[in-house]
Amino acid sequence: GQSLEQPSEVTAVEGAIVQINCTYQTSGFYGLSWYQQHDGGAPTFLSYNALDGLEETGRFSSFLSRSDSYGYLLLQELQMKDSASYFCAVVGAAGNKLTFGGGTRVLVKP
Amino acid sequence: SAVISQKPSRDICQRGTSLTIQCQVDSQVTMMFWYRQQPGQSLTLIATANQGSEATYESGFVIDKFPISRPNLTFSTLTVSNLSPEDSSIYLCSDGGQLRGYTFGSGTRLTVV
Repeated sequence: GQSLEQPSEVTAVEGAIVQINCTYQTSGFYGLSWYQQHDGGAPTFLSYNALDGLEETGRFSSFLSRSDSYGYLLLQELQMKDSASYFCAVVGAAGNKLTFGGGTRVLVKP
Repeated sequence: SAVISQKPSRDICQRGTSLTIQCQVDSQVTMMFWYRQQPGQSLTLIATANQGSEATYESGFVIDKFPISRPNLTFSTLTVSNLSPEDSSIYLCSDGGQLRGYTFGSGTRLTVV
């Protein structure tokens, strides 16, 4: 089976940097994805890591260490619109299924 | 990336009835997935909808309760049957076309009264 752990909530001020950690246990692993979901909205794809290292997409970066079964999402230059829930998700070996972590609610304050 | 139209966006249903949710993708995708999400919680996979074969259900979900159709590579339906208040949740579909990023429908908020 799969299990993913991430912090439940993070609060930060505008302009700050937030790191959301995700540790996983999995029986099969293709990669680690990150999704953003605003209240009442659908999850939207942010980033995907299949190999170790850092992937940068604008203000957001994602990191993966396969040997440590660990990844993180880095949110830089936080803006009010970044207030949302962020989910890590493992793409498993069986059928491309996504298994989601519990989600981290990020609250950005002025 | 694909665009997925999901409907209805919300519904209020009586106990014992059923609700069918539809998802239309603007391109052909091999697999589609159906999820359930309680407000403020994570997404739980219900099943994988495969074109041309029966859906594959995750542990805890059964075909009698959540029948799924996948008549072609752009369309799928999920029916939630014999509704009870415990079925009140948000239901989402997604494509499974690209590992780098799945696209989700906008979700269906179901309230059972």
